[in-house]
Amino acid sequence: VLTQSPGTLSLSPGERATLSCRASQSVNRNYLAWYQQRPGQTPRLFIYGTSGRVGGIPDRFSGSGSGTDFTLTISRLEPEDFAVYYCQQYGTSLSNTFGQGTKLEIK
Amino acid sequence: QVQLLQSGAVVRKPGSSVKVSCKVSGGTFNNYGISWVRQAPGQGLEWIGGIIPTFGTAKFAQRFHDRVTITADESASTAYMEIFSLGSDDTAVYYCARSHTSGLYACDFWGQGTLVTVSS
Repeated sequence: VLTQSPGTLSLSPGERATLSCRASQSVNRNYLAWYQQRPGQTPRLFIYGTSGRVGGIPDRFSGSGSGTDFTLTISRLEPEDFAVYYCQQYGTSLSNTFGQGTKLEIK
Repeated sequence: QVQLLQSGAVVRKPGSSVKVSCKVSGGTFNNYGISWVRQAPGQGLEWIGGIIPTFGTAKFAQRFHDRVTITADESASTAYMEIFSLGSDDTAVYYCARSHTSGLYACDFWGQGTLVTVSS
């Protein structure tokens, strides 16, 4: 099980955002991904393998963590960053589970 | 550019089944995993299961393992997901998505989604 916190994060453009994802068991090989989903759109992969940034994703997005605790950090929020973010563990013998999501909204 | 094209929206009655297709074009199909993910209205993402076409063996989330089948036709570069014994809580948008590398991993290319409505 992946638990994301907070459920909703209210910040202003230019601020720093820190999103948390906690696993009930250690994530195999740190196979932890982050997705962004804007309203009415399909999810978009941003981070894989805990800290690998997908091509075209701005470097203000960074992922970190290990074991059971992982973080997505957005250094300076831009208007287009306000969306829902999901973490996902994958590559295990069990399920490629998603967290329940964190909604990042404009304060 | 890799594209995943899913079959269209459907309406099904409770207790029936539905089969959704996902055709991959513009990229490798055989050894890149295809995952199926659903999203109920206003809810989050839920991983259903996935398959690596060249291996042919599917993996499922525990809650779906007894009423979902996932298959792949390598000759047609198409994956399929079939759900049986539909209930109203199966109403959702169903996505297929391709792993970013060989195996069943995080997904960088997604289909447009297929709305499945379960209603009597």
